[in-house]
Amino acid sequence: DVKVTQSSRYLVKRTGEKVFLECVQDMDHENMFWYRQDPGLGLRLIYFSYDVKMKEKGDIPEGYSVSREKKERFSLILESASTNQTSMYLCASSSQGAPTDTQYFGPGTRLTVL
Amino acid sequence: AQSVAQPEDQVNVAEGNPLTVKCTYSVSGNPYLFWYVQYPNRGLQFLLKYITGDNLVKGSYGFEAEFNKSQTSFHLKKPSALVSDSALYFCAVRDETGGFKTIFGAGTRLFVKA
Repeated sequence: DVKVTQSSRYLVKRTGEKVFLECVQDMDHENMFWYRQDPGLGLRLIYFSYDVKMKEKGDIPEGYSVSREKKERFSLILESASTNQTSMYLCASSSQGAPTDTQYFGPGTRLTVL
Repeated sequence: AQSVAQPEDQVNVAEGNPLTVKCTYSVSGNPYLFWYVQYPNRGLQFLLKYITGDNLVKGSYGFEAEFNKSQTSFHLKKPSALVSDSALYFCAVRDETGGFKTIFGAGTRLFVKA
């Protein structure tokens, strides 16, 4: 079974702090994704990576950056957290990058910014 | 542009009755359609997908979905609902022109009453 793990289930930070969310997958997948999930809005893509050190912006990249130094690890960075970044953050991975690929999701990190 | 609509925020059904969760989509090319389920405090789990071929797709936990090209729909169904099916369901779409990008619907909360 594919396993995608995220470093924290719950996180509380203060406005202006730098926040790191980490994601690790154990299936040697090429592609990794960061989404945020908000009620009524579904999942929105923040960034994705199709290879080590490669990244592409998604639909809502403002205020976020990412890092992929190793194939299995994809980090999301909030440079200066703001209250409107309070959300559930989901990491996902997939194998080939074909449109038919299934994405496998981590359990999510619920981030609260005070 | 790609889009997905889940017209119902919530679906209520009695245990043992059939359930339907609706999804319609819009894509430029051939659609690849997915259903995911999210149980409380968990990440998304893959249920089923339509790539090509038979319009009726069978998936996990007794769920199935019917692809209807003329109505651009991909409704999720189950003949007999269980209380344990209560969860948040997401429809998602990709097409061959969209590359890595998956568009998720806003989600439908299914509530199955004993």
